Amino acid sequence: GAVVSQHPSRVICKSGTSVKIECRSLDFQATTMFWYRQFPKKSLMLMATSNEGSKATYEQGVEKDKFLINHASLTLSTLTVTSAHPEDSSFYICSAAIGDFPSQYFGPGTRLLVL
Amino acid sequence: GQNIDQPTEMTATEGAIVQINCTYQTSGFNGLFWYQQHAGEAPTFLSYNVLDGLEEKGRFSSFLSRSKGYSYLLLKELQMKDSASYLCASMDSNYQLIWGAGTKLIIKP
Repeated sequence: GAVVSQHPSRVICKSGTSVKIECRSLDFQATTMFWYRQFPKKSLMLMATSNEGSKATYEQGVEKDKFLINHASLTLSTLTVTSAHPEDSSFYICSAAIGDFPSQYFGPGTRLLVL
Repeated sequence: GQNIDQPTEMTATEGAIVQINCTYQTSGFNGLFWYQQHAGEAPTFLSYNVLDGLEEKGRFSSFLSRSKGYSYLLLKELQMKDSASYLCASMDSNYQLIWGAGTKLIIKP
């Protein structure tokens, strides 16, 4: 149980375009979903926390107009990187939490390369 | 400030035992997590400690001392597939995970 999927797993796009990443909890309803970014050989950096039906809470330094998060249902959250630039190239990982249990279950990640 | 410290890299021999230490300082405490992350993949959950003591789960055990702000992950009977990064994360009073930079574990035959 507690499977989280992400799509796409890998995307290459041109600078200036927008990229949408989907995160789905497959066999449970996620009360909260998290979006992380990880640069090579670095730890996870929390970008934002989202709850279904409400606005996401962004971490300091993360531009909410650039990284749009939509948590449409208890099983789906999307992250849209708008007007992507090469410095946005990174490994984006979502995770989901179930109810009161504090552990997070991670999706497989999306590797974004902006040319 | 909030801070998680763990060694950057460790090397161990197949079949041996290795202990990865983690010290934490967070605003409030709601538990200590260990995750395993293979290169190019997302982290997978290993353990969660919220009370002092040792939690054993197969070849992996995790220990917590809240008074010392200290945890360790103990891996026994090491296998080559255990080569990965091990991430320590503390959950603060807002239920946010504060992540360490990870310990890269290299297993040699």
